[in-house]
Amino acid sequence: GNSVTQMEGPVTLSEEAFLTINCTYTATGYPSLFWYVQYPGEGLQLLLKATKADDKGSNKGFEATYRKETTSFHLEKGSVQVSDSAVYFCALIQGAQKLVFGQGTRLTINP
Amino acid sequence: ETGVTQSPTHLIKTRGQQVTLRCSSQSGHNTVSWYQQALGQGPQFIFQYYREEENGRGNFPPRFSGLQFPNYSSELNVNALELDDSALYLCASSLDSGSHTEAFFGQGTRLTVV
Repeated sequence: GNSVTQMEGPVTLSEEAFLTINCTYTATGYPSLFWYVQYPGEGLQLLLKATKADDKGSNKGFEATYRKETTSFHLEKGSVQVSDSAVYFCALIQGAQKLVFGQGTRLTINP
Repeated sequence: ETGVTQSPTHLIKTRGQQVTLRCSSQSGHNTVSWYQQALGQGPQFIFQYYREEENGRGNFPPRFSGLQFPNYSSELNVNALELDDSALYLCASSLDSGSHTEAFFGQGTRLTVV
């Protein structure tokens, strides 16, 4: 079946550092890929998405590129802020709208 | 336009009891999905309702059941609660059940079973 694997956390960085959170997936065909963010005590918010190979999703300085050849969708940001501290989930959808999530990566940014 | 709202926000139940969680979908959305998020884990799909009919189910036992009403709000019912049912339950609504349609999540209901 479909699955998503994220780099294990927690990840701790200093403000203005470069961020990469790795995500790889297993699926037949061509799923849509997503990054969701969960702030403390809140539900999930869609951060960005890509629906086909080589698409780049971007939002709030975050980017991720749909790489079919490596089945990856790594999240990057050039300069993180304290307000980016949250849990980040990589996810995919294929067919009916059933999101399959990775286990999440907790990110802490220190001032 | 209101977002997805869930109630209650927190709940404590005893093992063996039954619980009902509620979700009001975003205006105009006809599809509601429910997810269970155990502590430190990613959300797991429970089931989806599309226009009042169940439209897909994850690997959860029959004691997890649901309803969708004509106004597209939804309920998740769990019978015979077990300690492992303690989790954050998330509801997500979307315009339709297509794979490219964005799902909007509520803030969740934190269920604790003691």
